[in-house]
Amino acid sequence: EVQLVESGGGLVQREGSLRLSCAVSGFTFSSFWMTWVRQAPGKGLEWVAAIEPGGSEKYYVDSVKGRFTISRDNAQNSLYLQMNSLRADDTAMYYCATVSYWASASWGQGTLVTVSS
Amino acid sequence: QSALTQPPSASGSPGQSVTISCTGTSRDIGGYDHVSWYQQYPGKAPKLMIYEVTKRPSGVPDRFSGSKSGNTASLTVSGLQAEDEADYYCSSYAGSNSWVFGGGTKLTVL
Repeated sequence: EVQLVESGGGLVQREGSLRLSCAVSGFTFSSFWMTWVRQAPGKGLEWVAAIEPGGSEKYYVDSVKGRFTISRDNAQNSLYLQMNSLRADDTAMYYCATVSYWASASWGQGTLVTVSS
Repeated sequence: QSALTQPPSASGSPGQSVTISCTGTSRDIGGYDHVSWYQQYPGKAPKLMIYEVTKRPSGVPDRFSGSKSGNTASLTVSGLQAEDEADYYCSSYAGSNSWVFGGGTKLTVL
């Protein structure tokens, strides 16, 4: 069974940093693109970042470029999102997901990030 | 990286069909057959319902179908059931290894 479990969310002050983790199991992690998607309270989904299976190619939505870094450890079956210079509009539930056939196929339950001003 | 456009709400009675539209541009929906749709219940993670415009993952009822014409994609739910009441989001690959989502549509089963 495919499982993705996010952790690392919490309350952080504006301009602070947070590192999200996503532990996966039930599939060959090193073969899949992975992505982070966020959802602000009461709002829609927003694609945040993606990373290719080897970890060398990384892509971001414009609003987080230069502040967020996606990474992965294939030996540990884990995906990460390092978030720096956090702003109030980064407040959201953050989901990790597998990418298959250009879609976000399997999702975790999410981890909530709240940025206080 | 502008969001795709969806109607905020849609509704139908049990047994009826409802179609939700998703409008983008030639740089996303119109440029690739990589449109996907997601169902989300309150407080839950999204679930993939349609990928590559028309394909259903294993376990998704065939009451759910997708299509695309030009820069607009559509999700049709046939034979509406009470359990279909949820939020639905479209998404498209937008080139350069980026994706874009729609604003979401709240489907109400009357």
